[in-house]
Amino acid sequence: DADVTQTPRNRITKTGKRIMLECSQTKGHDRMYWYRQDPGLGLRLIYYSFDVKDINKGEISDGYSVSRQAQAKFSLSLESAIPNQTALYFCATSVDSNEQYFGPGTRLTVT
Amino acid sequence: GQNIDQPTEMTATEGAIVQINCTYQTSGFNGLFWYQQHAGEAPTFLSYNVLDGLEEKGRFSSFLSRSKGYSYLLLKELQMKDSASYLCAAYNFNKFYFGSGTKLNVKP
Repeated sequence: DADVTQTPRNRITKTGKRIMLECSQTKGHDRMYWYRQDPGLGLRLIYYSFDVKDINKGEISDGYSVSRQAQAKFSLSLESAIPNQTALYFCATSVDSNEQYFGPGTRLTVT
Repeated sequence: GQNIDQPTEMTATEGAIVQINCTYQTSGFNGLFWYQQHAGEAPTFLSYNVLDGLEEKGRFSSFLSRSKGYSYLLLKELQMKDSASYLCAAYNFNKFYFGSGTKLNVKP
């Protein structure tokens, strides 16, 4: 089984809809991250969390919110989706400042 | 602000050596990471430098110069499966800042 999983893997939604992307990990890592990837722009950090009670904004948090329900679960929500939030979203985990382990990604399209 | 620069695309021949450069300008710095990403897949960790010098891991090596804000990833004995994007990321104050990636095309 994969260590970091994301659901759904693909999603098409309409402008204005609320959508939640979920991430689960079995690696036992405390740190979890949400990124979006756009062609030519690389990975950009949306939010990150170092434990259940710790949530921090990244570079591009506007229009997004997160919830760390447990050490193993970190969800990303788009309260009112807009077309420029169409992107590939990755969840990642790490131990301290060591390398990150990425989930398989969620391809989100907002029409 | 944070600025990470890498070439957009490179082409090399199977069996050859290729060097992918990365320059960074960050307000602080705690380490430089390299990841490989095949099309449509998740990034996977390749290498990490925190001190100046060369780190070697099989066919892959990474170099860091903190004073110059410069790193490179060296891939030896290129194989077709090395065709992928290579991402450098600077670690600073608990955050990773990624470059836009270098797409490497390996031709026969």
